[in-house]
Amino acid sequence: AQSVSQHNHHVILSEAASLELGCNYSYGGTVNLFWYVQYPGQHLQLLLKYFSGDPLVKGIKGFEAEFIKSKFSFNLRKPSVQWSDTAEYFCAVNSRDSNYQLIWGAGTKLIIKP
Amino acid sequence: EPEVTQTPSHQVTQMGQEVILRCVPISNHLYFYWYRQILGQKVEFLVSFYNNEISEKSEIFDDQFSVERPDGSNFTLKIRSTKLEDSAMYFCASNRDRAYEQYFGPGTRLTVT
Repeated sequence: AQSVSQHNHHVILSEAASLELGCNYSYGGTVNLFWYVQYPGQHLQLLLKYFSGDPLVKGIKGFEAEFIKSKFSFNLRKPSVQWSDTAEYFCAVNSRDSNYQLIWGAGTKLIIKP
Repeated sequence: EPEVTQTPSHQVTQMGQEVILRCVPISNHLYFYWYRQILGQKVEFLVSFYNNEISEKSEIFDDQFSVERPDGSNFTLKIRSTKLEDSAMYFCASNRDRAYEQYFGPGTRLTVT
């Protein structure tokens, strides 16, 4: 069965620090990859997605992610975080072989200290 | 920008009672989903719905659960006889094509006492 791993459950950074959140998935076929964000008290919002093409994808609010097929990874990055980036971040994967059922990572709680 | 909406935002119910959680997906979307997230745990897929029938369901989605699209706009999740372990945040989502990103509602926090 497909699975998604997010290795960092809690991350605490200071403002202006660089961010990288890891995401690995366990399926060898063609996948679609997503990062969702959940700000405190708000609903899940799409941050960015990868379907095909350039493996470096840019999303909203200065976030980007790189798909590395050989490593089964889709890490999320931001060069300089802000206090408003405090949120929970979820990596998710779907594929045709799983009828596009969205498989979720456990989430990473990011706290940015002002 | 169109949004998925959910009501109520918080529902408290006693064990054994029936609850209906309501969702209004984005109007031109064709695929609808329910997920739940128990506090501190992963988001878990419950069910997907297309063309007025269930297309996929997880092991969690047992006979206690049912979904319905009673009219052209609402999409409901019914839990017939709630258990303590049903306490969770329930999210509805929709998309135009099942391969694409899903748009989520704000969730309903269900508390079973």
